[in-house]
Amino acid sequence: EDQVTQSPEALRLQEGESSSLNCSYTVSGLRGLFWYRQDPGKGPEFLFTLYSAGEEKEKERLKATLTKKESFLHITAPKPEDSATYLCAVQADYKLSFGAGTTVTVRA
Amino acid sequence: GAVVSQHPSWVICKSGTSVKIECRSLDFQATTMFWYRQFPKQSLMLMATSNEGSKATYEQGVEKDKFLINHASLTLSTLTVTSAHPEDSSFYICSASSPRNYGYTFGSGTRLTVV
Repeated sequence: EDQVTQSPEALRLQEGESSSLNCSYTVSGLRGLFWYRQDPGKGPEFLFTLYSAGEEKEKERLKATLTKKESFLHITAPKPEDSATYLCAVQADYKLSFGAGTTVTVRA
Repeated sequence: GAVVSQHPSWVICKSGTSVKIECRSLDFQATTMFWYRQFPKQSLMLMATSNEGSKATYEQGVEKDKFLINHASLTLSTLTVTSAHPEDSSFYICSASSPRNYGYTFGSGTRLTVV
C-alpha cells in the first residue's frame, strides 16, 4: 500500500525565514510526485510534479527536490501570502495518494 | 491552463435528502475524474474514480449506493449524496485528468453540511 508521510504537521515562520518541508513516501513504481498548495476552504492548487530522483523544480520562492525515498519543498524568504497547507501526493498507477499536509504560517 | 469548475461551493441540506455536486472541466476533455472527501485538518481521501461512459470504481469502504457518481460526458461528472446524514458532512473535492492534460486539476471544493 502506498504511504505518504509529511513533516512537520505545522510550521510557523517569520517573514524571510527560510525553511523546508519533508515528504517521505513508500510506493511501488512511482510515476510522479506532486506538490499542491491548499488554502482554507479551497481545492488544491498545483505547484510541481517530479518524476525521477535528482530532479528539481522552482517557482518563485518555492523549490521542490526528489530522492528515491523523499521529497523536500524549500521555501526561501517566505512572505505572509505563502501561508497555506502544502500537500504532497504520489502517483503509482492512475490515482494519487496524499499525505496529511504541512500547514505553514508566515508572520509579518 | 486547465480549469475545473465545481458547484455548489457550499450546501446545507436536511437529513434524509439528497444532494448533487457537479464537476466540470472547462477547457479540456476529462477522460477520468476523481472524487475526494476531506475532513477538517486531514488530507484528501479518494472516494471513487470515474471514466466517461463507464461505471465508477469505488475505494474500499465507500458505499456506492450512497455516493452515486455519473460521468456522462467528457466534461461533466456528478456526485450525488443520497439520504444524507450529519456524518456525511464534509468537504468534497473533484479532480480531472486527461491524456493531454497529464496531471490532476482540482475543483474548488463543496462544503456539505447536513442538519
